[in-house]
Amino acid sequence: DAGVIQSPRHEVTEMGQEVTLRCKPISGHDYLFWYRQTMMRGLELLIYFNNNVPIDDSGMPEDRFSAKMPNASFSTLKIQPSEPRDSAVYFCASSQSSSGNQPQHFGDGTRLSIL
Amino acid sequence: DAKTTQPTSMDCAEGRAANLPCNHSTISGNEYVYWYRQIHSQGPQYIIHGLKNNETNEMASLIITEDRKSSTLILPHATLRDTAVYYCIVRVLGSNYQLIWGAGTKLIIKP
Repeated sequence: DAGVIQSPRHEVTEMGQEVTLRCKPISGHDYLFWYRQTMMRGLELLIYFNNNVPIDDSGMPEDRFSAKMPNASFSTLKIQPSEPRDSAVYFCASSQSSSGNQPQHFGDGTRLSIL
Repeated sequence: DAKTTQPTSMDCAEGRAANLPCNHSTISGNEYVYWYRQIHSQGPQYIIHGLKNNETNEMASLIITEDRKSSTLILPHATLRDTAVYYCIVRVLGSNYQLIWGAGTKLIIKP
């Protein structure tokens, strides 16, 4: 079975540019999560969706970040304008339900470098 | 803040059992204990989870103490590919759905 698919795997861009990260969750999973990982702060939840609807975006750092899920098989995380402090690895994860016994499955992440 | 406490790092000889401890003294009765690992440059990988009974799957065993205040992840025959950071997580339930990630244990398998 295909796992969570993220693209691109690596992104290097200059400060001020728009960055779009993409995620395809596992088919049949109705929850999708976006995380950010840095050395200083570890893994942080940014936002999560249930049935394509954003449920909790309290982890989104500021208005420069936005996320969408237009359908059950695709989500984007956009940063506009990007800043050097946004450099991190961004992970997407999906799961079948929010109950306590369904694990989240992660993609291999997008390593983002803002110069 | 993370609700679990894990050692920062551990070593284990290849072929031996790796036993990774985790303290979660404030766990609630309906919270699960989850274990994930992260191999360098990859996304976190789900290993196993449990509520109060011991659990076993093809990857590992999870031993939870009777009072549920601590648990141990056991990799029965560690290989070099098991070198990774292992995260013990208590699943926070309710409307604010979230996994609280701590710093984890860096497990190094030595030949």
